[in-house]
Amino acid sequence: DQQVKQNSPSLSVQEGRISILNCDYTNSMFDYFLWYKKYPAEGPTFLISISSIKDKNEDGRFTVFLNKSAKHLSLHIVPSQPGDSAVYFCAAPEGANNLFFGTGTRLTVIP
Amino acid sequence: NAGVTQTPKFRVLKTGQSMTLLCAQDMNHEYMYWYRQDPGMGLRLIHYSVGEGTTAKGEVPDGYNVSRLKKQNFLLGLESAAPSQTSVYFCASSYEGDEQFFGPGTRLTVL
Repeated sequence: DQQVKQNSPSLSVQEGRISILNCDYTNSMFDYFLWYKKYPAEGPTFLISISSIKDKNEDGRFTVFLNKSAKHLSLHIVPSQPGDSAVYFCAAPEGANNLFFGTGTRLTVIP
Repeated sequence: NAGVTQTPKFRVLKTGQSMTLLCAQDMNHEYMYWYRQDPGMGLRLIHYSVGEGTTAKGEVPDGYNVSRLKKQNFLLGLESAAPSQTSVYFCASSYEGDEQFFGPGTRLTVL
């Protein structure tokens, strides 16, 4: 059973607009969440994280929001740029030994 | 500083053949991981290691073996390859089990 879910396989956004990528989780024990970005033929690279003691974390154009009661987090990219086109994975660690990944959302930013 | 490297990048095997995938990291990380990524699914953990000489099973360990004889290297072995092992394999490492750094991946096809 998927513990981290990304229900939108793809998203297209105009350059300059906001991109919102969503992620849901089922395990209430998760207390830390990460977003990874993946370009074709490359490994995922860490983008931003959030601890469950916060409800928002911001890094430049990227902001992650966490709603613990809804077991939902979202990644906002503002403004979106063509270079942001990639697959974005939401992930949650179980201790130090396993990282549960969502299935990914392919973001396309249209120039 | 190369980060995490994987050898080979591509490989085609026949059913029943064996092979070893090599992962190397130069960041002096304690933790290393092997994942597989299949279409429509997130990355799933095969095996991991929390230090030199240690290994443990992840979510999908069947059909694979691993060894961590040196801190910087983590080997993934397939003793008798099956078509179900056709996948993209990613190695990752982390310092304390937090942010993971990924290699570029190995695309394996088993005919």
